[in-house]
Amino acid sequence: KAGVTQTPRYLIKTRGQQVTLSCSPISGHRSVSWYQQTPGQGLQFLFEYFSETQRNKGNFPGRFSGRQFSNSRSEMNVSTLELGDSALYLCASSLGGSRGMGRPAFFGQGTRLTVV
Amino acid sequence: DAKTTQPTSMDCAEGRAANLPCNHSTISGNEYVYWYRQIHSQGPQYIIHGLKNNETNEMASLIITEDRKSSTLILPHATLRDTAVYYCIVRVNNNDMRFGAGTRLTVKP
Repeated sequence: KAGVTQTPRYLIKTRGQQVTLSCSPISGHRSVSWYQQTPGQGLQFLFEYFSETQRNKGNFPGRFSGRQFSNSRSEMNVSTLELGDSALYLCASSLGGSRGMGRPAFFGQGTRLTVV
Repeated sequence: DAKTTQPTSMDCAEGRAANLPCNHSTISGNEYVYWYRQIHSQGPQYIIHGLKNNETNEMASLIITEDRKSSTLILPHATLRDTAVYYCIVRVNNNDMRFGAGTRLTVKP
């Protein structure tokens, strides 16, 4: 069974640009969440999607947004990039819903974003 | 904010058992305890989870106290490849996982 796939693995962008990252969850998983990891702040929750609906959102500015498609694939977008957005962006997928009770979430390998 | 507290770092000799503690004193009745580890900024790797009973799999054992306010992850025979940051989190079935700083485990030869 394929794991969680994130694309691209590495990305370099310029300040002010926008970026879109993609996450394909494990087959059958309907919940996808996104995390930002930086050396200073650690792993921080961005948002979670379940069945195409945003279920939870972390404490990040509106420049960070996401969406989930009917096939459960998810994208996150960061607009007007700042130097501080340089980070490892991780997504995690899980079954979600009542079937997800007591079942783990699995992470992708992440996208390393560098803003210059 | 994370609902768990862990020691910042621990050392373990290769071949010995590594015992990593975690406090989760405000855990709710339906929250499970999950352990993940992260090596060299790769994606966190799922290790094990439990609700009330002790659990064991091919990677580790999880001991949860009777009052569920703390747990211990046990790596029975630590190897150099077990050097990583270990995270303990509590969750129900959502993906809204709040990570603390974790425990940096260093396995020494």
